[in-house]
Amino acid sequence: EVQLVESGGGLVQPGGSLRLSCAGSGFPFSRVWMSWVRQTPGKGLEWVANINQDGSEKYYVDSVKGRFTISRDNAKNSLYLQINSLRAEDTAVYYCATEGWLVGFDFWGQGTLVTVSS
Amino acid sequence: DIQLTQSPSFLSASVGDRVTITCRASQGIRTYLTWYQRKPGKAPKLLIHGASTLQSGVPSRFSGSGSGTEFTLTINSLQPDDCATYYCQQLNSYPLTFGGGTNVEIK
Repeated sequence: EVQLVESGGGLVQPGGSLRLSCAGSGFPFSRVWMSWVRQTPGKGLEWVANINQDGSEKYYVDSVKGRFTISRDNAKNSLYLQINSLRAEDTAVYYCATEGWLVGFDFWGQGTLVTVSS
Repeated sequence: DIQLTQSPSFLSASVGDRVTITCRASQGIRTYLTWYQRKPGKAPKLLIHGASTLQSGVPSRFSGSGSGTEFTLTINSLQPDDCATYYCQQLNSYPLTFGGGTNVEIK
């Protein structure tokens, strides 16, 4: 059974940082693209970033470029999102998801809440 | 960036009704369009990819069609379990983008 478990969310002040983690199991982690997707309060879904199998390709939505960094450790079956210079508009539930090539996000975690507030 | 516009944003229908949701892209995306179902408190579930390919395990009352800039998700014979928000997403180019969602309510 595919499982994705996010952690690392919390309450942080504007300008602060967090590192989100996602532990994967039940599938060949090192063989799949992985993504972070967020859902902001009262709004819809927003793709944040993705990374290829060996970490050599990374893509980001413009609003997080230079502030967020996606990475992975295949030996630990883990995906990460380092989020810096947090803004109120980054408040969201952050999901990690497996990404099938030209298919979309086929498996999702349950999400971790990031709240940016003073 | 490719904008996806879903309509309607909300619909209310009865059990057994046929429901159609439209997703329009601001530029052509071939058939790189995926549909998701999201229920409150749960992660989204992939329903259809490639505009019309039903994901394994998804009931056959769900179907998708379209190419280019106009796509539809159809639910034949709406069931109580289909009460959810539905999103389209394009995978044609970065940044990957979602539609604004369609909230489906059962009358």
